[in-house]
Amino acid sequence: AQSVTQLGSHVSVSEGALVLLRCNYSSSVPPYLFWYVQYPNQGLQLLLKYTSAATLVKGINGFEAEFKKSETSFHLTKPSAHMSDAAEYFCAVRPNGGLSFGAGTTVTVRA
Amino acid sequence: NAGVTQTPKFRILKIGQSMTLQCTQDMNHNYMYWYRQDPGMGLKLIYYSVGAGITDKGEVPNGYNVSRSTTEDFPLRLELAAPSQTSVYFCASSPLHGNTEAFFGQGTRLTVV
Repeated sequence: AQSVTQLGSHVSVSEGALVLLRCNYSSSVPPYLFWYVQYPNQGLQLLLKYTSAATLVKGINGFEAEFKKSETSFHLTKPSAHMSDAAEYFCAVRPNGGLSFGAGTTVTVRA
Repeated sequence: NAGVTQTPKFRILKIGQSMTLQCTQDMNHNYMYWYRQDPGMGLKLIYYSVGAGITDKGEVPNGYNVSRSTTEDFPLRLELAAPSQTSVYFCASSPLHGNTEAFFGQGTRLTVV
């Protein structure tokens, strides 16, 4: 079964610093991969998705992710963190049925 | 532009009570899903539906039931509420499988006491 693992349940960064959130997938075939963001007391919003068209995927709010088949990874990055990036981030894969989510990574941004 | 709408937003239930969480979408999506979110656990799939009249179990279906009589609506039923069902519930929909993302409602926060 396809699944994803997010490394690190909490990440703290300074404003202006690099944000790096790690996601590894397990799949026997190239999967469809997604990153979602959840702000407090809200639903999930799509940041970006990998659909095999390009290995470097750009999303909203300055985020991007790179699909690396050799490492079975789909890490999310943003060059310069903003206070508004404080949220919970979920990596997800699309097997049969619904999306399968990682446990999530909470990002806090220090002024 | 409503998207996916869930009601209620908050609910407190007593053990053994029943309730229905409502979910409706106005995007004419074939696929609909129910997830529960618990701290540190991500989102777990409860049930999903690939179209009107068709439903299937997800990862954690015990204690829940669903129906899909129309494309728009996908209610989730709790028959005998238990404290373990205290959670935040999200409904989502998507047009197809594969590379299409799911669109989420704002969630229902349920507490069973």
